Amino acid sequence: QKEVEQNSGPLSVPEGAIASLNCTYSDRGSQSFFWYRQYSGKSPELIMSIYSNGDKEDGRFTAQLNKASQYVSLLIRDSQPSDSATYLCAVNPTNDYKLSFGAGTTVTVRA
Amino acid sequence: EAQVTQNPRYLITVTGKKLTVTCSQNMNHEYMSWYRQDPGLGLRQIYYSMNVEVTDKGDVPEGYKVSRKEKRNFPLILESPSPNQTSLYFCASKTGTGANTGELFFGEGSRLTVL
Repeated sequence: QKEVEQNSGPLSVPEGAIASLNCTYSDRGSQSFFWYRQYSGKSPELIMSIYSNGDKEDGRFTAQLNKASQYVSLLIRDSQPSDSATYLCAVNPTNDYKLSFGAGTTVTVRA
Repeated sequence: EAQVTQNPRYLITVTGKKLTVTCSQNMNHEYMSWYRQDPGLGLRQIYYSMNVEVTDKGDVPEGYKVSRKEKRNFPLILESPSPNQTSLYFCASKTGTGANTGELFFGEGSRLTVL
């Protein structure tokens, strides 16, 4: 089983809609969770971090964490064409300094 | 400007010819790491370093070497490259070495092709 798994894409949403991205992880003791955005041909950039159960909102982005279900999600509200990118879920496993990344979900926002 | 700089950005080489990809950061970060990115596999960690002279293996260290003689530099060495090391490589750094310490900053990537 992979440490971090993301729903397979690509995900196509119309402009203005909500894009929903899901991520599950295998290490129950993981404490830190991150969403990175990667535009084609570019390096990943951090858009959200979440450490405790519940929702965390930042502008049009909302991260949701449920440690009991080992599940973290990212919602993008009012999707814009500029949101078209690959979104990477990353998790810090227990007592480990590395970040384990999922394979990514590619989102396309169509005008 | 705060940044992580990798060189070269693009390289085509042949099997067995030793090469080094340099990485330098100007943010005084303790933690540095190398990842490779392959289609469908995401980012996989090769090696990481928590400080000068402290390095450790990531998930896919075979065929690679690293060194951390200075805080700012973390070169990736391929002693005898093989075609399965054709990939997109990212160097990254962050402040602190704990799990919740800081954003991971990535370099622009180095696309390596081994023929």
